[in-house]
Amino acid sequence: KNEVEQSPQNLTAQEGEFITINCSYSVGISALHWLQQHPGGGIVSLFMLSSGKKKHGRLIATINIQEKHSSLHITASHPRDSAVYICAVNLYTGNQFYFGTGTSLTVIP
Amino acid sequence: ETGVTQTPRHLVMGMTNKKSLKCEQHLGHNAMYWYKQSAKKPLELMFVYNFKEQTENNSVPSRFSPECPNSSHLFLHLHTLQPEDSALYLCASSQEQPGNTGELFFGEGSRLTVL
Repeated sequence: KNEVEQSPQNLTAQEGEFITINCSYSVGISALHWLQQHPGGGIVSLFMLSSGKKKHGRLIATINIQEKHSSLHITASHPRDSAVYICAVNLYTGNQFYFGTGTSLTVIP
Repeated sequence: ETGVTQTPRHLVMGMTNKKSLKCEQHLGHNAMYWYKQSAKKPLELMFVYNFKEQTENNSVPSRFSPECPNSSHLFLHLHTLQPEDSALYLCASSQEQPGNTGELFFGEGSRLTVL
């Protein structure tokens, strides 16, 4: 069993739709990260959060520490948002990260 | 541009070859990582270096040999690999602070194919 579970695994949306990707984890963490991976491999960090909510442009990330759950929302989705979104958690001890398997998002024009 | 550069981007090698992957970070970070990404699986941590000292070796076979000559450069030396080692190898860096690890910055990855 993976310490970090994401849902859904695959998601197809029409351009303009509101998108939610969920992440649940089972370990104590100091921070949770949302990452974006485009075809070709490179990974970009979108958010690092340990409480509450963060917003960057059309992206919003929330975390509920008590429920060990985080969500990534994309408003007014666009085809350029098509990518794999990965949830990762950082343990309290050392620089150990656990990663989800990713959510593959396709936004259709 | 994330500040972490990996070369080569693509590598094809036979099982008897010796090759190396290189990673360089321009962010002044004190921790560097090698991760392996296989299809449909989470990123797997291979090695962590803090201030040039290896702090994690996640039961990686000895055919993978890391080298960290300074806090900005990280190598992964490859020797006698198996076809199942074909994957995307990602380098990352972060700024480690007491009790907290900062954001991860990844390179573009090196796509390795072992024939």
